[in-house]
Amino acid sequence: EAQVTQNPRYLITVTGKKLTVTCSQNMNHEYMSWYRQDPGLGLRQIYYSMNVEVTDKGDVPEGYKVSRKEKRNFPLILESPSPNQTSLYFCASSPHRPGQGYEQYFGPGTRLTVT
Amino acid sequence: AQKITQTQPGMFVQEKEAVTLDCTYDTSDPSYGLFWYKQPSSGEMIFLIYQGSYDQQNATEGRYSLNFQKARKSANLVISASQLGDSAMYFCAMREGGGGADGLTFGKGTHLIIQP
Repeated sequence: EAQVTQNPRYLITVTGKKLTVTCSQNMNHEYMSWYRQDPGLGLRQIYYSMNVEVTDKGDVPEGYKVSRKEKRNFPLILESPSPNQTSLYFCASSPHRPGQGYEQYFGPGTRLTVT
Repeated sequence: AQKITQTQPGMFVQEKEAVTLDCTYDTSDPSYGLFWYKQPSSGEMIFLIYQGSYDQQNATEGRYSLNFQKARKSANLVISASQLGDSAMYFCAMREGGGGADGLTFGKGTHLIIQP
Protein backbone atom coordinates (compact mmCIF):
# COMPACT_ATOMS: atom_id res chain seq x y z
CA GLU A 1 0.00 0.00 0.00
CA ALA A 2 1.32 3.40 -1.03
CA GLN A 3 1.67 5.52 2.05
CA VAL A 4 3.55 8.09 4.08
CA THR A 5 4.25 7.06 7.65
CA GLN A 6 5.21 9.24 10.58
CA ASN A 7 6.43 8.35 14.02
CA PRO A 8 5.58 9.01 16.71
CA ARG A 9 1.94 9.93 16.23
CA TYR A 10 1.77 11.66 19.60
CA LEU A 11 4.58 13.10 21.68
CA ILE A 12 4.70 15.12 24.86
CA THR A 13 8.13 16.44 25.74
CA VAL A 14 9.85 19.13 27.76
CA THR A 15 11.54 22.30 26.66
CA GLY A 16 15.05 21.77 25.39
CA LYS A 17 15.01 17.99 24.98
CA LYS A 18 16.07 17.14 21.44
CA LEU A 19 13.61 15.09 19.45
CA THR A 20 13.22 13.62 15.98
CA VAL A 21 10.00 12.91 14.12
CA THR A 22 10.54 10.35 11.40
CA CYS A 23 8.84 10.34 8.01
CA SER A 24 9.03 7.61 5.42
CA GLN A 25 7.35 7.08 2.05
CA ASN A 26 7.26 3.97 -0.12
CA MET A 27 6.30 5.59 -3.43
CA ASN A 28 9.79 6.53 -4.63
CA HIS A 29 8.78 10.20 -4.58
CA GLU A 30 11.47 12.79 -5.15
CA TYR A 31 9.76 15.57 -3.25
CA MET A 32 9.13 15.54 0.49
CA SER A 33 8.01 18.27 2.80
CA TRP A 34 7.14 19.08 6.40
CA TYR A 35 4.22 21.27 7.45
CA ARG A 36 2.91 22.43 10.77
CA GLN A 37 -0.74 23.12 11.42
CA ASP A 38 -1.90 25.58 14.04
CA PRO A 39 -5.47 26.64 14.80
CA GLY A 40 -6.64 29.47 12.55
CA LEU A 41 -3.44 29.42 10.49
CA GLY A 42 -3.87 26.45 8.17
CA LEU A 43 -0.77 24.49 7.22
CA ARG A 44 2.56 26.20 6.83
CA GLN A 45 5.60 24.67 5.21
CA ILE A 46 8.66 24.20 7.41
CA TYR A 47 11.22 22.56 5.10
CA TYR A 48 11.17 20.70 1.86
CA SER A 49 13.45 18.45 -0.14
CA MET A 50 13.57 18.09 -3.90
CA ASN A 51 15.68 14.94 -3.73
CA VAL A 52 18.44 13.22 -1.77
CA GLU A 53 20.83 15.71 -0.16
CA VAL A 54 18.75 18.65 -1.47
CA THR A 55 16.80 20.52 1.20
CA ASP A 56 15.55 24.08 1.55
CA LYS A 57 13.64 26.28 3.94
CA GLY A 58 9.93 26.78 3.73
CA ASP A 59 7.94 29.56 5.34
CA VAL A 60 8.58 28.76 9.02
CA PRO A 61 11.97 26.99 9.34
CA GLU A 62 13.20 28.54 12.60
CA GLY A 63 13.91 25.96 15.28
CA TYR A 64 13.86 22.98 12.92
CA LYS A 65 16.38 20.92 10.99
CA VAL A 66 15.93 18.25 8.37
CA SER A 67 18.07 15.79 6.47
CA ARG A 68 17.56 13.71 3.35
CA LYS A 69 20.16 10.98 3.23
CA GLU A 70 17.85 8.47 1.59
CA LYS A 71 15.06 9.05 -0.86
CA ARG A 72 12.39 7.43 1.30
CA ASN A 73 13.18 9.16 4.61
CA PHE A 74 12.89 12.79 5.65
CA PRO A 75 13.22 13.24 9.43
CA LEU A 76 12.32 16.47 11.20
CA ILE A 77 14.66 17.40 14.03
CA LEU A 78 13.95 19.79 16.86
CA GLU A 79 17.31 20.42 18.54
CA SER A 80 15.88 22.41 21.45
CA PRO A 81 12.09 22.33 21.40
CA SER A 82 10.14 25.24 22.85
CA PRO A 83 6.44 25.56 23.77
CA ASN A 84 5.74 27.58 20.60
CA GLN A 85 6.56 24.45 18.61
CA THR A 86 3.54 22.70 20.08
CA SER A 87 1.61 21.85 16.94
CA LEU A 88 0.30 19.19 14.59
CA TYR A 89 3.00 18.19 12.10
CA PHE A 90 2.47 16.66 8.70
CA CYS A 91 4.96 15.07 6.38
CA ALA A 92 4.05 14.95 2.69
CA SER A 93 5.54 13.56 -0.49
CA SER A 94 4.89 13.82 -4.19
CA PRO A 95 6.56 12.96 -7.45
CA HIS A 96 8.47 15.85 -8.99
CA ARG A 97 6.96 16.34 -12.41
CA PRO A 98 7.07 20.05 -13.18
CA GLY A 99 4.09 21.38 -15.02
CA GLN A 100 1.88 18.40 -14.31
CA GLY A 101 -0.85 18.07 -11.78
CA TYR A 102 -0.23 15.72 -8.90
CA GLU A 103 -1.38 15.55 -5.36
CA GLN A 104 0.78 15.61 -2.29
CA TYR A 105 0.38 12.50 -0.17
CA PHE A 106 0.19 13.35 3.51
CA GLY A 107 1.21 11.28 6.48
CA PRO A 108 -1.23 10.81 9.37
CA GLY A 109 0.22 13.65 11.41
CA THR A 110 2.24 13.92 14.61
CA ARG A 111 0.74 15.83 17.50
CA LEU A 112 3.59 17.38 19.49
CA THR A 113 3.23 19.07 22.85
CA VAL A 114 6.22 20.87 24.38
CA THR A 115 5.81 21.79 28.04
CA ALA B 1 -0.73 39.65 1.15
CA GLN B 2 -2.25 36.23 1.59
CA LYS B 3 -1.82 33.95 -1.35
CA ILE B 4 -4.85 31.85 -0.52
CA THR B 5 -7.93 33.36 1.07
CA GLN B 6 -10.84 31.39 2.44
CA THR B 7 -13.39 33.88 3.68
CA GLN B 8 -15.71 31.45 5.45
CA PRO B 9 -14.29 30.32 8.81
CA GLY B 10 -17.35 28.16 9.40
CA MET B 11 -20.51 27.02 7.63
CA PHE B 12 -23.65 25.18 8.67
CA VAL B 13 -25.49 23.42 5.87
CA GLN B 14 -28.54 21.19 5.82
CA GLU B 15 -27.96 17.62 4.72
CA LYS B 16 -28.59 16.95 1.01
CA GLU B 17 -28.07 20.60 0.08
CA ALA B 18 -25.27 21.69 -2.22
CA VAL B 19 -22.34 23.53 -0.60
CA THR B 20 -19.95 26.06 -2.08
CA LEU B 21 -16.71 26.75 -0.24
CA ASP B 22 -14.97 29.90 -1.36
CA CYS B 23 -11.31 30.23 -2.26
CA THR B 24 -9.48 33.08 -3.92
CA TYR B 25 -5.81 33.06 -4.72
CA ASP B 26 -3.08 35.47 -5.62
CA THR B 27 -0.18 34.68 -7.92
CA SER B 28 1.66 36.27 -10.81
CA ASP B 29 2.96 32.93 -12.03
CA PRO B 30 1.11 31.74 -15.16
CA SER B 31 1.67 28.10 -14.17
CA TYR B 32 0.05 26.98 -10.96
CA GLY B 33 -2.16 24.30 -9.50
CA LEU B 34 -5.04 24.53 -7.09
CA PHE B 35 -5.98 21.81 -4.63
CA TRP B 36 -8.69 21.10 -2.12
CA TYR B 37 -8.11 18.92 0.91
CA LYS B 38 -10.52 17.64 3.52
CA GLN B 39 -9.49 17.19 7.14
CA PRO B 40 -11.99 15.26 9.27
CA SER B 41 -11.85 15.35 13.04
CA SER B 42 -9.50 12.37 12.98
CA GLY B 43 -6.85 14.71 11.58
CA GLU B 44 -5.66 13.18 8.33
CA MET B 45 -5.45 15.26 5.16
CA ILE B 46 -7.53 13.82 2.33
CA PHE B 47 -6.97 15.03 -1.22
CA LEU B 48 -10.22 15.90 -2.97
CA ILE B 49 -9.62 17.63 -6.27
CA TYR B 50 -7.03 19.39 -8.42
CA GLN B 51 -7.24 22.15 -11.04
CA GLY B 52 -4.31 23.23 -13.19
CA SER B 53 -4.02 26.80 -14.39
CA TYR B 54 -4.05 25.73 -18.02
CA ASP B 55 -6.96 23.34 -17.69
CA GLN B 56 -9.82 24.43 -19.88
CA GLN B 57 -12.54 22.61 -18.05
CA ASN B 58 -13.53 22.66 -14.42
CA ALA B 59 -12.29 19.64 -12.49
CA THR B 60 -14.81 17.14 -11.16
CA GLU B 61 -14.41 14.15 -8.84
CA GLY B 62 -17.63 12.42 -7.92
CA ARG B 63 -19.69 14.82 -5.77
CA TYR B 64 -16.87 17.38 -5.80
CA SER B 65 -16.37 19.97 -8.49
CA LEU B 66 -14.12 22.98 -8.68
CA ASN B 67 -15.60 26.21 -10.02
CA PHE B 68 -12.48 27.71 -11.59
CA GLN B 69 -12.76 31.36 -12.61
CA LYS B 70 -9.29 32.30 -13.71
CA ALA B 71 -9.89 35.99 -14.38
CA ARG B 72 -11.32 36.41 -10.90
CA LYS B 73 -8.62 34.18 -9.37
CA SER B 74 -11.30 32.08 -7.78
CA ALA B 75 -11.35 28.31 -7.19
CA ASN B 76 -14.46 27.46 -5.24
CA LEU B 77 -15.21 23.90 -4.18
CA VAL B 78 -18.75 22.69 -4.79
CA ILE B 79 -20.07 19.65 -2.95
CA SER B 80 -23.33 18.37 -4.36
CA ALA B 81 -25.90 16.58 -2.19
CA SER B 82 -24.03 17.03 1.07
CA GLN B 83 -23.82 14.17 3.57
CA LEU B 84 -23.22 14.06 7.29
CA GLY B 85 -19.79 12.59 6.59
CA ASP B 86 -18.82 15.77 4.76
CA SER B 87 -18.52 17.57 8.10
CA ALA B 88 -14.83 18.51 8.32
CA MET B 89 -12.28 21.26 7.81
CA TYR B 90 -11.66 22.06 4.16
CA PHE B 91 -8.46 23.63 2.92
CA CYS B 92 -7.74 25.28 -0.39
CA ALA B 93 -4.09 25.20 -1.46
CA MET B 94 -1.94 26.39 -4.34
CA ARG B 95 1.31 25.24 -5.88
CA GLU B 96 3.09 27.87 -7.97
CA GLY B 97 5.49 27.41 -10.80
CA GLY B 98 6.39 24.50 -13.02
CA GLY B 99 9.96 23.78 -12.03
CA GLY B 100 10.72 25.14 -8.62
CA ALA B 101 9.75 24.25 -5.12
CA ASP B 102 6.63 22.19 -5.00
CA GLY B 103 5.32 23.15 -1.63
CA LEU B 104 1.68 23.97 -1.17
CA THR B 105 0.48 27.27 0.25
CA PHE B 106 -2.67 26.67 2.25
CA GLY B 107 -5.59 28.85 3.19
CA LYS B 108 -6.76 28.99 6.78
CA GLY B 109 -9.61 26.62 6.14
CA THR B 110 -13.39 26.45 6.37
CA HIS B 111 -15.08 24.37 9.04
CA LEU B 112 -18.11 22.77 7.41
CA ILE B 113 -20.83 21.26 9.55
CA ILE B 114 -23.62 19.30 7.89
CA GLN B 115 -26.80 19.22 9.92
CA PRO B 116 -29.43 16.45 9.63
